[in-house]
Amino acid sequence: DSGVTQTPKHLITATGQRVTLRCSPRSGDLSVYWYQQSLDQGLQFLIQYYNGEERAKGNILERFSAQQFPDLHSELNLSSLELGDSALYFCASSVDRGNPQYFGPGTRLTVL
Amino acid sequence: DQQVKQNSPSLSVQEGRISILNCDYTNSMFDYFLWYKKYPAEGPTFLISISSIKDKNEDGRFTVFLNKSAKHLSLHIVPSQPGDSAVYFCAASNFGNEKLTFGTGTRLTIIP
Repeated sequence: DSGVTQTPKHLITATGQRVTLRCSPRSGDLSVYWYQQSLDQGLQFLIQYYNGEERAKGNILERFSAQQFPDLHSELNLSSLELGDSALYFCASSVDRGNPQYFGPGTRLTVL
Repeated sequence: DQQVKQNSPSLSVQEGRISILNCDYTNSMFDYFLWYKKYPAEGPTFLISISSIKDKNEDGRFTVFLNKSAKHLSLHIVPSQPGDSAVYFCAASNFGNEKLTFGTGTRLTIIP
């Protein structure tokens, strides 16, 4: 158990819908990262927040957004969902630069 | 552009012997490297890391070696155990951009 929690574990929805994925980092970790793992791609970085502020952005689609709240939990919002958004979404946390990122169990999103 | 490469998709090793997993990178800005173990539909589990100021780091049965001039790192597992069977990913980042860039993974199978 990494100490990072993600909910829900599974999510099935239809094209065009909007969903919210939630992540709680390990106690004491200020950074939260979101990654996507599709079938045909490896783990791809989406976005990072540090202590409530966006710190880095990867190839995140404009339909996707995220935020980190004062209690440090983070939410990833995916809207206007397409079939190709079906993937595993992982959240990771770390205390700061130069430290390992610890991953949560992931949310499996299926868009029908 | 695959900046982190694991050229062996799979590796089989006898229980009790040494497992050696390899990883090459092209981006000379990377200065922090990690190895993760992953089971299907689970989050990556952090194993061991190394910064570019070192060439070796050990933690129990796991040792990571870094050859900066060759842009190559390897993970040694000694002795290999059946529970080590999983997919192993190497990942890299740099201090100024903490996003992890992952390799494509090597599936390790330990034969009892």
